[in-house]
Amino acid sequence: DIQMTQSPSSLSASVGDRVTITCRASQGISNYLAWYQQKPGKVPKLLIYAASTLQSGVPSRFSGSGSGTDFTLTISSLQPEDVATYYCQKYNSAPQTFGPGTKVDIK
Amino acid sequence: EVQLVESGGGLVKPGGSLRLSCAASGFTFSNAWMSWVRQAPGKGLEWVGRIKSKTDGGTTDYAAPVKGRFTISRDDSKNTLYLQMNSLKTEDTAVYYCTTREVGATSAVDYWGQGTLVTVSS
Repeated sequence: DIQMTQSPSSLSASVGDRVTITCRASQGISNYLAWYQQKPGKVPKLLIYAASTLQSGVPSRFSGSGSGTDFTLTISSLQPEDVATYYCQKYNSAPQTFGPGTKVDIK
Repeated sequence: EVQLVESGGGLVKPGGSLRLSCAASGFTFSNAWMSWVRQAPGKGLEWVGRIKSKTDGGTTDYAAPVKGRFTISRDDSKNTLYLQMNSLKTEDTAVYYCTTREVGATSAVDYWGQGTLVTVSS
């Protein structure tokens, strides 16, 4: 099975900072990669699908890139409401494994 | 309005069984590929398995930790998804979410229930 890794596992940044999270697949998954945001006590929310397509209603400060095995989620200007854990997930085939998550908070 | 409402969670002893249900409304359930995702307390998201629509074969896939113990099924006449969990282990303790996602060429929909807590403990 394809394994998904994320780095870093956590980060602390200031409001307005540019934040980048990396997700890596152990084998190529083309662009079948989604990014989720989960705030404490809440259900996960889809941010990006097909590696780089912004889900409707998601602020444009979020962006995704990559293909194959290496992907990134970027928050161009971190806002207080972005405090959350971010997960990548492959969905090209089963199992649709999630990455271990990256916890983002404000410095 | 799309709704996914899970039920059936609770406390069960190791080795026991439990069946979760997910009642769906607000979309064409019979056409949807449905999944279960779980989250252990304080841990990350874990994909459990999925069932395709009957039109697409109705087949199931499972994550390695639950394969052979868990069974996903659906009743399209009742718009309900099920997760039968047998031979439960303490590490199966988690909130179980029912989800569906459809990714098209230019749009995507992604729905989650609020989850139901399963606690496996003696």
